[in-house]
Amino acid sequence: DIQMTQSPSTLSASVGERVTITCRASQSISHWLAWYQQKPGKAPKILIYRASNLASGVPSRFSGSGSGTEFTLTISSLQPDDFATYYCQQFDNFPWTFGQGSKVEIK
Amino acid sequence: EVHLEESGGGLVQPGESLRLSCAASGFSFRSYVMTWVRQAPGKGLEWVSAITGGSGFTYYADSVKGRFTISRDNSKTTLFLQINSLRAEDTAVYYCAKVGLGDDFSYNGMDVWGQGTTVTVSS
Repeated sequence: DIQMTQSPSTLSASVGERVTITCRASQSISHWLAWYQQKPGKAPKILIYRASNLASGVPSRFSGSGSGTEFTLTISSLQPDDFATYYCQQFDNFPWTFGQGSKVEIK
Repeated sequence: EVHLEESGGGLVQPGESLRLSCAASGFSFRSYVMTWVRQAPGKGLEWVSAITGGSGFTYYADSVKGRFTISRDNSKTTLFLQINSLRAEDTAVYYCAKVGLGDDFSYNGMDVWGQGTTVTVSS
């Protein structure tokens, strides 16, 4: 199975800051990676698909990059609505797997 | 509007069975891979199972293989998850999700999610 490892697990940041979250795969997954945002008590919401494609309706301050085994999610200017937990997920091979999550907290 | 709504969760005893449902609307259900994802209390997301659209090929996480069965009724646009021999570690919110498709029919991640249904396994 492909293991997905995110870093950091928790991140404290201020409104307006640039934030980067990293996701590493235990083997190459090409560009078959998605990023999701989840707020407490809510279902996840897709942000990025195929590593770098912005999902419909997602603000342009979110961006994704990477291929192979290393990927990043960047929020160019953190907004109050962005404080949440973020997950990466590979869909290169079954079983699909998620990273453990990265919580973005208010500094 | 594309919509998914799960049902069937509840409080059950260890060893019992449960059947979760996910009613879909607003899209061509039979054309899409559908999937279940769960989240234990205070934990991260765990992919559970997926089923392809027309052919109905199924896939499972190792942790549920042999106990969980995913199925779908395309005529009723409904996804199911049969869970047998429930264990305490199956306690979680169970989400169904639609897998997006690109123009080349490759996957675009889970683009629509239901609100989740809670399964609690306790004696």
